[in-house]
Amino acid sequence: AQTVTQSQPEMSVQEAETVTLSCTYDTSESDYYLFWYKQPPSRQMILVIRQEAYKQQNATENRFSVNFQKAAKSFSLKISDSQLGDAAMYFCAYKGNFGNEKLTFGTGTRLTIIP
Amino acid sequence: DTAVSQTPKYLVTQMGNDKSIKCEQNLGHDTMYWYKQDSKKFLKIMFSYNNKELIINETVPNRFSPKSPDKAHLNLHINSLELGDSAVYFCASSQDRGTPGGRRETQYFGPGTRLLVL
Repeated sequence: AQTVTQSQPEMSVQEAETVTLSCTYDTSESDYYLFWYKQPPSRQMILVIRQEAYKQQNATENRFSVNFQKAAKSFSLKISDSQLGDAAMYFCAYKGNFGNEKLTFGTGTRLTIIP
Repeated sequence: DTAVSQTPKYLVTQMGNDKSIKCEQNLGHDTMYWYKQDSKKFLKIMFSYNNKELIINETVPNRFSPKSPDKAHLNLHINSLELGDSAVYFCASSQDRGTPGGRRETQYFGPGTRLLVL
């Protein structure tokens, strides 16, 4: 069974600085998807970024980028120029392929932005 | 326009009651999911339907029964509610890329339903 581990329950960063959230996972599959979701206090689950395992290039979405290390099974999220609106719980999630559609989530990292 | 909607957003009820949560998506997706988020914020899959067919059924008490009248709707009915059922329940949907066994990709979530059992 796949597992996702987020080892940082809480992180904080000064506004405008850069922060990296860690995620590792365990799988025996070679083809899969990885996601970062954001959950602000409104509790809405918002997709931040996704990565296909077969792509070597790291995904980027504006101020958000990932460092995907397939061999190490690591998938960290970097947030540049942190803004107050980035404050939220961040969840790393894994989705397999070919009949394994469910998302397996990590336990989340609570990110605080310091003004 | 709301992509994935859930009703109600809040549900407070007594132990032993039966309640339903409704989910609708207007994204044209053919796969829908129910997830449960517990008090520690941990999210876990409960069920998934593809084109009205149950494809994922995790270890969930049989007091929980999903129903999909069509591929745009997935409802969750809960019988004999217990204190431990208190949680936030999320509906999500995704698109099957085509052929059976094809790739189902990003899941989009509804706003969640906070259920409190007293």
